Amino acid sequence: GQNIDQPTEMTATEGAIVQINCTYQTSGFNGLFWYQQHAGEAPTFLSYNVLDGLEEKGRFSSFLSRSKGYSYLLLKELQMKDSASYLCAVMDSNYQLIWGAGTKLIIKP
Amino acid sequence: GAVVSQHPSRVICKSGTSVKIECRSLDFQATTMFWYRQFPKQSLMLMATSNEGSKATYEQGVEKDKFLINHASLTLSTLTVTSAHPEDSSFYICSAKQGATEAFFGQGTRLTVV
Repeated sequence: GQNIDQPTEMTATEGAIVQINCTYQTSGFNGLFWYQQHAGEAPTFLSYNVLDGLEEKGRFSSFLSRSKGYSYLLLKELQMKDSASYLCAVMDSNYQLIWGAGTKLIIKP
Repeated sequence: GAVVSQHPSRVICKSGTSVKIECRSLDFQATTMFWYRQFPKQSLMLMATSNEGSKATYEQGVEKDKFLINHASLTLSTLTVTSAHPEDSSFYICSAKQGATEAFFGQGTRLTVV
């Protein structure tokens, strides 16, 4: 079967760094997405990785290892507004997105 | 990695008007482009597949007269939402690939119809 695993909840301190991991097992691979979702709102696209390595975008970075079926989202210099759910999703061989359940990130002052 | 540029990233339009979204492959020739739509809290839904120089193939349930797709060159595909209605408000994302290579995605367009 197809499976995406990520932690249910994480807590971090304002100004710190947090890494949210995602492991996956899917039928084929056509890229991995990270989305941010604030409560009651639609997900917002953060990043897309299809090749191994690290992609950096400002305070956010995303890493992919296809051989390990593993990705992480790294958030630096955390701000209170970063409190949200972070969703990992993999596009399979049929170009359908398989979603993880999301990681709720709580930022404390 | 290959770069796919999608424009605009956000657009607000009035009900009844048409909106065009562009998808460009910047450093490779895209023989195939895909258009997706995402509803809140749901997966991306494949709308259509287009090959350069030929008509797009639409997925079941997608109105081809409402969502016009043009893939006139190897670097550009456009999606035009005609006579937009509030229910068309959504996140639209394109991807492009060259032959049998991986598909690379644009960053998406958030359409709001008011």
